[in-house]
Amino acid sequence: DQQVKQNSPSLSVQEGRISILNCDYTNSMFDYFLWYKKYPAEGPTFLISISSIKDKNEDGRFTVFLNKSAKHLSLHIVPSQPGDSAVYFCAASNSNTGNQFYFGTGTSLTVIP
Amino acid sequence: DTAVSQTPKYLVTQMGNDKSIKCEQNLGHDTMYWYKQDSKKFLKIMFSYNNKELIINETVPNRFSPKSPDKAHLNLHINSLELGDSAVYFCASSLGLTQYFGPGTRLTVL
Repeated sequence: DQQVKQNSPSLSVQEGRISILNCDYTNSMFDYFLWYKKYPAEGPTFLISISSIKDKNEDGRFTVFLNKSAKHLSLHIVPSQPGDSAVYFCAASNSNTGNQFYFGTGTSLTVIP
Repeated sequence: DTAVSQTPKYLVTQMGNDKSIKCEQNLGHDTMYWYKQDSKKFLKIMFSYNNKELIINETVPNRFSPKSPDKAHLNLHINSLELGDSAVYFCASSLGLTQYFGPGTRLTVL
């Protein structure tokens, strides 16, 4: 019963173009969402988050969009750079029930120079 | 000045053995976690401790026993290792709703 899904295991994008990574969730009680980036042989590192009271959060080249009615969020990276090549995990939480996070299976992004 | 550290990074052992993975965080966070990432890359929470007290205990075999001697440490002890325990185990700590992960421990059970 995977509550957070990333249906694209991999994505390739040309350098300078936009990367769009998608994430779907099933639990309508989730109210806080995060994206993590993971390089090989390292732990995930926090990238950007969004609360359910917002539909967009931007941090430099990274923007997260939340569509609550569709239970969908996306991470946009523009312009994409080769150093962005990594696995991106989406995570969700219900902030009222403690610090339990549910992760997707990740999308491996390759930015081609 | 590593924030969340785990030892060992790699662990290869035989079925039936008992092993421990150590985790330490120097961020001053109150909450620590253990996650398991299986071969399907699914990152699933196992345990969460807040100020040395267990607050999340997912459906994990009781062969897995976390120990938190103080709020900076959360160790994971595994008894009678099985083939299915092979995975990457990540420790994490959090302040609020943002988690900080260790580099992972790749456990291989032969």
